[in-house]
Amino acid sequence: GENVEQHPSTLSVQEGDSAVIKCTYSDSASNYFPWYKQELGKGPQLIIDIRSNVGEKKDQRIAVTLNKTAKHFSLHITETQPEDSAVYFCAASRTGTYKYIFGTGTRLKVLA
Amino acid sequence: DADVTQTPRNRITKTGKRIMLECSQTKGHDRMYWYRQDPGLGLRLIYYSFDVKDINKGEISDGYSVSRQAQAKFSLSLESAIPNQTALYFCATSDPPGQAFFGQGTRLTVV
Repeated sequence: GENVEQHPSTLSVQEGDSAVIKCTYSDSASNYFPWYKQELGKGPQLIIDIRSNVGEKKDQRIAVTLNKTAKHFSLHITETQPEDSAVYFCAASRTGTYKYIFGTGTRLKVLA
Repeated sequence: DADVTQTPRNRITKTGKRIMLECSQTKGHDRMYWYRQDPGLGLRLIYYSFDVKDINKGEISDGYSVSRQAQAKFSLSLESAIPNQTALYFCATSDPPGQAFFGQGTRLTVV
């Protein structure tokens, strides 16, 4: 069945360093890849997304890259700040089903 | 006011009891979803609905049922709660082909 693998499960970085979270999806028909940030006691919120017709997208300190051939996509956070500490989820979806299949999450800790 | 509202936010119930979790949205979206979150397992899809007359099972629907009472309302029921249904439950909405919007979650404990 459809599956999204996410690594690492936990990640600690020093403030100011970069963080990278990687996901692999199984359904080659997936064409929409969002990333969500979940803060303590809250629901996940979209931080960036990418569609299959582009390879990279940036929004200030956050970027996402997509390799359709390898079925990989990654989240890059530069110049990390303490407020970036949260759980991050990747997901994959495709036209027609609009089901979002989520990865298992990465707990990011930014150490001051 | 939140775009996606879940009630209750927290609930403790006993094994064998019936419980309903409610979700309402003001986004005007047709698509609504119920997810379950467990540590280390991420968000798993329980049920989803693409309009009032459409209900679909997700990957972990056993032990759950849903009702789509209106475009804006989608409720999740546990007919006979069991301890391994203790989890954080999220309702979400979306309008294709874009992002999903999540509620604040319901923390359910079955004792």
